[in-house]
Amino acid sequence: AQKVTQAQTEISVVEKEDVTLDCVYETRDTTYYLFWYKQPPSGELVFLIRRNSFDEQNEISGRYSWNFQKSTSSFNFTITASQVVDSAVYFCALQNYGQNFVFGPGTRLSVLP
Amino acid sequence: NAGVTQTPKFQVLKTGQSMTLQCAQDMNHNSMYWYRQDPGMGLRLIYYSASEGTTDKGEVPNGYNVSRLNKREFSLRLESAAPSQTSVYFCASSVVGINQPQHFGDGTRLSIL
Repeated sequence: AQKVTQAQTEISVVEKEDVTLDCVYETRDTTYYLFWYKQPPSGELVFLIRRNSFDEQNEISGRYSWNFQKSTSSFNFTITASQVVDSAVYFCALQNYGQNFVFGPGTRLSVLP
Repeated sequence: NAGVTQTPKFQVLKTGQSMTLQCAQDMNHNSMYWYRQDPGMGLRLIYYSASEGTTDKGEVPNGYNVSRLNKREFSLRLESAAPSQTSVYFCASSVVGINQPQHFGDGTRLSIL
């Protein structure tokens, strides 16, 4: 069975702090895909990144970086020098090959000025 | 560049009333999805349509029906609304194939009294 856990329900940081959002997944498949989505206060869901199970390279995009570790079944998301505009709910999602997405419960990030 | 358009954005119903949520995408995507989002539970798949002419149940299909009217449109119907169906509903679409992100509409906030 597929499962995604985001143990941090809510996180608050002060602007310019670094913050890491945790994502732990469970799957029996060897081929799977991981995603992160952002849901700002306006409510829409914005795709951020995807990663397949054969690519454990970390990725950096501006202030965002992702750390994928198969050994610990984790796909963590770090925001460096956080800004108020980063305040949102962030969802991690898992897709096994040929199957539908399973979303985690989300982490609400509040960045305070 | 509308992407995925959902209507209405807000709706209040009384228990027992029926309603159809509309979704249309202009990205020529084959696959479409309906999710509901409840606090602390992330997004849960209600129904999906892998391609025009096909529909399948997701994780929480009870109390809902869907119609894939054509390639662009995928509607969700509540035949007899119940308070437990109070939620935010999201429609999404994607290209057929693995590792493809889903693109979401802005959501419909539905309250059942």
